[in-house]
Amino acid sequence: KQEVTQIPAALSVPEGENLVLNCSFTDSAIYNLQWFRQDPGKGLTSLLLIQSSQREQTSGRLNASLDKSSGRSTLYIAASQPGDSATYLCAVHMGSYQKVTFGTGTKLQVIP
Amino acid sequence: EAGVAQSPRYKIIEKRQSVAFWCNPISGHATLYWYQQILGQGPKLLIQFQNNGVVDDSQLPKDRFSAERLKGVDSTLKIQPAKLEDSAVYLCASSLVERGGLFFGPGTRLTVL
Repeated sequence: KQEVTQIPAALSVPEGENLVLNCSFTDSAIYNLQWFRQDPGKGLTSLLLIQSSQREQTSGRLNASLDKSSGRSTLYIAASQPGDSATYLCAVHMGSYQKVTFGTGTKLQVIP
Repeated sequence: EAGVAQSPRYKIIEKRQSVAFWCNPISGHATLYWYQQILGQGPKLLIQFQNNGVVDDSQLPKDRFSAERLKGVDSTLKIQPAKLEDSAVYLCASSLVERGGLFFGPGTRLTVL
């Protein structure tokens, strides 16, 4: 059974700081990995999707890396802004029927 | 391209009552998921459909929860009877299998009193 862990559970940083969020998974035979953002009371917004054959994906100030052999993914946020405050979730996709397991999330607060 | 639609957005019921949620996925997306998200936790998969067939319902409390996707398009999730611990956000997502990636609707916040 796939287990997904996100550390830290919460993080508070001053505006402008670069930061890294971590996602670990136990079964490395993944199809792809997806990072989401969730604002309070809202649904999940997709940030980045990394296929199993890829090492990283970039979108603006966000960069996600994937190391299947070690069972880890990181989400790097450059020059953080107060608007980045949200909960960040990673989701691991298994197999062609896309069974998906979520981590418990990292709650990020960027202080102005 | 229209996103995943869900209704209602909010629902308040008393315990032992029944409730139903509706989801319309992105056009052409064959896979549809229902997740339950309790405050402070990550989403938990309740049921996954591939077209109108069930792929995974291992975590669906079948004594009170049911779901259907009759024509392989929209879907309904029902709870009958509701318990206090069912208070959560119910999220619907869809995906296009070949390209991967989940797209979520806004969710339905259920409060059971």
